[in-house]
Amino acid sequence: DTEVTQTPKHLVMGMTNKKSLKCEQHMGHRAMYWYKQKAKKPPELMFVYSYEKLSINESVPSRFSPECPNSSLLNLHLHALQPEDSALYLCASAQEGWGYEKLFFGSGTQLSVL
Amino acid sequence: GDSVTQMEGPVTLSEEAFLTINCTYTATGYPSLFWYVQYPGEGLQLLLKATKADDKGSNKGFEATYRKETTSFHLEKGSVQVSDSAVYFCALLGAGNNRKLIWGLGTSLAVNP
Repeated sequence: DTEVTQTPKHLVMGMTNKKSLKCEQHMGHRAMYWYKQKAKKPPELMFVYSYEKLSINESVPSRFSPECPNSSLLNLHLHALQPEDSALYLCASAQEGWGYEKLFFGSGTQLSVL
Repeated sequence: GDSVTQMEGPVTLSEEAFLTINCTYTATGYPSLFWYVQYPGEGLQLLLKATKADDKGSNKGFEATYRKETTSFHLEKGSVQVSDSAVYFCALLGAGNNRKLIWGLGTSLAVNP
């Protein structure tokens, strides 16, 4: 199994809603990432978990809250988002704790904030 | 700091044409270099990589050679197909302690039948 699975594929939410994005991998990877991507732009790193501990937070606003319940799962909790947060949210995993050598990406969640 | 510069798109080619997408980089030390591809509606996939000077990465008919003397990692394919239509990102992984991928802006490729 070489997949990173993200759910939901599409999400529409209002600015007062609370929602969560989910990501799962069964490759035994110990590093997991959240990226934000605007259309046809490069992905922007948000968070990195290494061995289930948050190791990088790229100064992301607190309305985004990551969670890594175990080595296979990664969540991104969303609350009080703004319309400019509308984007494709990508989860990725990698084999090493700090390994960016090969990232495996999910297909993403297309988020629209109304 | 480290940076990656890619040729701007969009690039439009006819099927079976030759493809070159230029990528140059600025980095201290000896970075690793990557090409990622993003097909419409999907996440990114690693297309190929090279970790030291003169290495050639290749996959699915695409090739790129790590040229330290010209700080380049140009992507080439001899005969493109409609299915190659995608956005291509060049990326760099620095040799320092902050092992964070540095991305180019991406080049959109459209291949017409």
